[in-house]
Amino acid sequence: QVQLKETGPDLVQLTQPLSITCTVSGFSLTTYNIHWVRQPPGEGLEWMGAMWNGGGTDYNSTFKSRLSINRDTSKSQVFLKMNSLQTDDTAKYFCVTNYYYSGDVFDYWGQGVMVTVSS
Amino acid sequence: DIRMTQSPASLSASLGETVNIECLASEDIYSDLAWYQQKPGRSPQLLIYNADSLQNGVPSRFSGSGSGTQYSLKINSLQSEDVATYFCQQYNNYPLTFGSGTKLEIK
Repeated sequence: QVQLKETGPDLVQLTQPLSITCTVSGFSLTTYNIHWVRQPPGEGLEWMGAMWNGGGTDYNSTFKSRLSINRDTSKSQVFLKMNSLQTDDTAKYFCVTNYYYSGDVFDYWGQGVMVTVSS
Repeated sequence: DIRMTQSPASLSASLGETVNIECLASEDIYSDLAWYQQKPGRSPQLLIYNADSLQNGVPSRFSGSGSGTQYSLKINSLQSEDVATYFCQQYNNYPLTFGSGTKLEIK
């Protein structure tokens, strides 16, 4: 059974870093890609970046150099780290995968973790 | 970046009606277009991929169409469980981008 679950802090202080872990089950990270998508409260969806099954990464340039995505395949975990958080980084963060499709179509989503940036 | 302009922003329709949601891409995305449904408090769920292919398990009252830069999602015979926000997404080019969403309510 394909599952993704995000774990991370509810609250992050202004200018501090954010770390979120996505733990997957039912598939291997060396076969499937993991993407990160975020959604501010009441707003739309924003693609942040991807960890490819081969270990490479791609990032949305919106986040410039403050975003990094890594993984531990032995633990089936993918890690998002973003530096210098601002109040507009308050959002629900999702890890997602394109399990059945070769294109970046997201058929499995985690439940998301809601992160509030506090001043 | 490819901009996805989605309309309308909100929509109110009666049970049993047919509704259409539009998505306009800022450049040709060659049918690399998906539609998602997000119910309150839930994660988005895939409805349509490749502009017009129905995801397994999605009711046949949902359909997608379009090509080039113009795409649409059609919901026939609106049901109460269709109350949700709908998003389009292009996957032709990076960064992947989404429409701003259409909030669908029942009149």
